[in-house]
Amino acid sequence: QVQLVESGGGVVQPGRSLTLSCAASGFNFRRYGMHWVRQAPGKGLEWVAVISDDGSDKYYTHSVKGRFTISRDNSKATLYLQMNSLRAEDTAVYYCAKADSRKAVTSYFDYWGQGALVTVSS
Amino acid sequence: SSDLTQPPSVSVSPGQTASITCSGDKLGDKYVCWYQQKPGQSPVLVISQDTKRPSGIPERFSGSNSGNTATLTISGTQAMDEADYFCQAWDSNTVVFGGGTKLTVL
Repeated sequence: QVQLVESGGGVVQPGRSLTLSCAASGFNFRRYGMHWVRQAPGKGLEWVAVISDDGSDKYYTHSVKGRFTISRDNSKATLYLQMNSLRAEDTAVYYCAKADSRKAVTSYFDYWGQGALVTVSS
Repeated sequence: SSDLTQPPSVSVSPGQTASITCSGDKLGDKYVCWYQQKPGQSPVLVISQDTKRPSGIPERFSGSNSGNTATLTISGTQAMDEADYFCQAWDSNTVVFGGGTKLTVL
């Protein structure tokens, strides 16, 4: 069965960096796009970024462009989100989600991880 | 950007039909998906591409999309359907979510 396990969350000071990982299993990772979606405490879902199956296409929400980088290692079936210059408003549970297709754009999320909490606070 | 508007809350009696709307400019020209999220859990896809129900999702869940409004319909609503529901679409290479609707089964 499909499993997505996020790790790397924690408490970090404003302006610092953090990298999240998402270990995938139960499907052919290299054949699917992957997303990061976040949810601030008590709030709705906010899409963060997407990467195509081969890593050639990447798209970001406006508020994280230039600060966050999505990447993947298909040999390790692992998705990453490098987060730099973190702000208090980046505090959220970060979910990795599997896309339904190879593509980045127009895909939807057919499986989600359990989430990793990132708290940005001094 | 394309905003998607959902009612903050919808209430329904057990066994009745619940309808949750998602509105956006020319939304009918895009594919809409719906996700269910119960407290403390990750979201679950319940409807993809406007009307498709993934394997394992009960038949009482259905979707439609036309004009400026997409609708998630739950027929014969059960207590276990009480959750937050989010619509989702693509706009200019970015994903947009609706603000979410809390479904209460009274």
